[in-house]
Amino acid sequence: EVQLLDSGGDLVQPGGSLRLSCAASGFTFTSYAMSWVRQAPGKGLEWVSTINTGGGGTYYADSVKGRFTISRDNSKNTLYLQMNSLRADDTAVYYCASCPTVTAGIDYWGQGTLVTVSS
Amino acid sequence: QSVLTQPPSASGTPGQSVTISCSGSSSNIGSNYVYWYQQLPGTAPKVLIYRNNQRPSGVPDRFSGSKSGTSASLAISGLRSEDEADYYCATWDDSLTGFYVFGTGTKVTVL
Repeated sequence: EVQLLDSGGDLVQPGGSLRLSCAASGFTFTSYAMSWVRQAPGKGLEWVSTINTGGGGTYYADSVKGRFTISRDNSKNTLYLQMNSLRADDTAVYYCASCPTVTAGIDYWGQGTLVTVSS
Repeated sequence: QSVLTQPPSASGTPGQSVTISCSGSSSNIGSNYVYWYQQLPGTAPKVLIYRNNQRPSGVPDRFSGSKSGTSASLAISGLRSEDEADYYCATWDDSLTGFYVFGTGTKVTVL
């Protein structure tokens, strides 16, 4: 059974940093691109970032480019999202997701982890 | 970065059919597979349709997807109360360095 366990969400002050993690199991992690998608309270889904299987190719939404960094540790089957210079509008539930390829759609989703940016 | 356009809401009575549209452009829907996601209240999204019209195992055949040019549609037939949820289309966009794009979302209400 595919499992994506998101963690690391917390309350953080504006300008602060946070690192999200996603532990994957039940599939061949190294064969899948991985993504982060977020959803602000009461709003729709917003793509944040995608990383290819080897980690050498990364893609970002304009809203997070230069502030967020996606990475993966294939030896640990774990995906990360380092978030710096956090702003109030980054407040959202962040979902980890798996993708057969970078340009293919998302096939599995994590349960989500809540990030709240507030003073 | 652009978004895909969906109607904000759709509704029907049990047993009726509902169709949700998703409008994009040549750089996204026109060039890549469309996926549809269902998000029940308070839960993570799940895949309903992949590669334009394919259903994952476990998804009832009441749900069907189609694509034509730069638009896609999700049809729900035999509407049931448990279909009340938010639905999103999504695809890759080949513009610039590339990015993933979601639809604006459609709230389906079963009357």
